[in-house]
Amino acid sequence: AQKITQTQPGMFVQEKEAVTLDCTYDTSDPSYGLFWYKQPSSGEMIFLIYQGSYDQQNATEGRYSLNFQKARKSANLVISASQLGDSAMYFCAMREGAGGYNKLIFGAGTRLAVHP
Amino acid sequence: EAGVTQFPSHSVIEKGQTVTLRCDPISGHDNLYWYRRVMGKEIKFLLHFVKESKQDESGMPNNRFLAERTGGTYSTLKVQPAELEDSGVYFCASSQDRYRGDTEAFFGQGTRLTVV
Repeated sequence: AQKITQTQPGMFVQEKEAVTLDCTYDTSDPSYGLFWYKQPSSGEMIFLIYQGSYDQQNATEGRYSLNFQKARKSANLVISASQLGDSAMYFCAMREGAGGYNKLIFGAGTRLAVHP
Repeated sequence: EAGVTQFPSHSVIEKGQTVTLRCDPISGHDNLYWYRRVMGKEIKFLLHFVKESKQDESGMPNNRFLAERTGGTYSTLKVQPAELEDSGVYFCASSQDRYRGDTEAFFGQGTRLTVV
């Protein structure tokens, strides 16, 4: 069955340091996509980064990078040089298939607190 | 360009009443999704529209929930009659036509529904 697991309910990091948020997934579909979304206290879900299952390189978007370990079925989010504004809930999500539709399966989320 | 907007942002209703949530997707986005997060649980897929047609409604919990997307523009999600377990945050998301490639879903800020 498709599943996303985020084992860290809460994390904290010192400002300017890097932090890794864990995500593992389970799927039998060889074609899938992995997403990370950020949800600040205001409530909206902000897309951060995407990794396709056939992508050869790890995705990067500014300070965000996705450490994609396909054999281990993990897709950890790395935030470099943390900022106070990074404090939020972070959700890992998976989309099965290559159809381009966004029926996503979400993990439980990790609450990140960035301390000055 | 306006993002996905949802209305209302908060709603408190009594058990047995009816509530209608509205979502305005990003202009030109054919795909519209509804998700919800009930207290302490993961964000769950409810249904997916392609234009005005329901592509997938496998996540709709029961027949008290009715979603429409007349004209393929905005969508409404009606809960009638509301039950206590319907409380949670309802998210709407939209994405472009699937044939334009893998595009991420853009989420609204959510509607927080509280049934008392």
